[in-house]
Amino acid sequence: GQQLNQSPQSMFIQEGEDVSMNCTSSSIFNTWLWYKQDPGEGPVLLIALYKAGELTSNGRLTAQFGITRKDSFLNISASIPSDVGIYFCAGQENTGNQFYFGTGTSLTVIP
Amino acid sequence: DAGVIQSPRHEVTEMGQEVTLRCKPISGHDYLFWYRQTMMRGLELLIYFNNNVPIDDSGMPEDRFSAKMPNASFSTLKIQPSEPRDSAVYFCASSSGGLRETQYFGPGTRLLVL
Repeated sequence: GQQLNQSPQSMFIQEGEDVSMNCTSSSIFNTWLWYKQDPGEGPVLLIALYKAGELTSNGRLTAQFGITRKDSFLNISASIPSDVGIYFCAGQENTGNQFYFGTGTSLTVIP
Repeated sequence: DAGVIQSPRHEVTEMGQEVTLRCKPISGHDYLFWYRQTMMRGLELLIYFNNNVPIDDSGMPEDRFSAKMPNASFSTLKIQPSEPRDSAVYFCASSSGGLRETQYFGPGTRLLVL
């Protein structure tokens, strides 16, 4: 199945810094989701996007549905230690029902 | 409310043995999903059910894998016979109202096949 490309693969940042990551696909999606997975736990949904150009915030997190509908972006402002984890994007194509997941971005926040 | 419940949380077995993973979705959710997560392949959808009926099993790797949902509150994923390459974390998730709705994941079952 299709696998979405996430970038960067890993990030090491200082507490207080902003974080940006993105996800790209080879086909057009009509839904983009962003999840966070803590060690030893299942993914937890952070933000869902349903329209091209949509910009949605959840606290310090902001995600955008790319205009081309082939990408999405997640930003975290003023990072804190509890932001540590793996962030996954997921997308759903227009014609299909299955959600495809990205390869994940591992975030480490240094206090 | 209780979230998605999975059991066991950890399973270690020998190659050739049968493995059964269990899932209790969130009450009222009519969609149930089984995923597999590995370092190499990331998160993969194996199969999903709607109202206890399997809708798409195209992600099931091979005939050794089977999934059932006998009622709205219980599902199993069975591997028989198990192989070392089946070692992974298996997640169950549930949602209500359709595929575009939020999927709530369980804590996962960590399977190691020796």
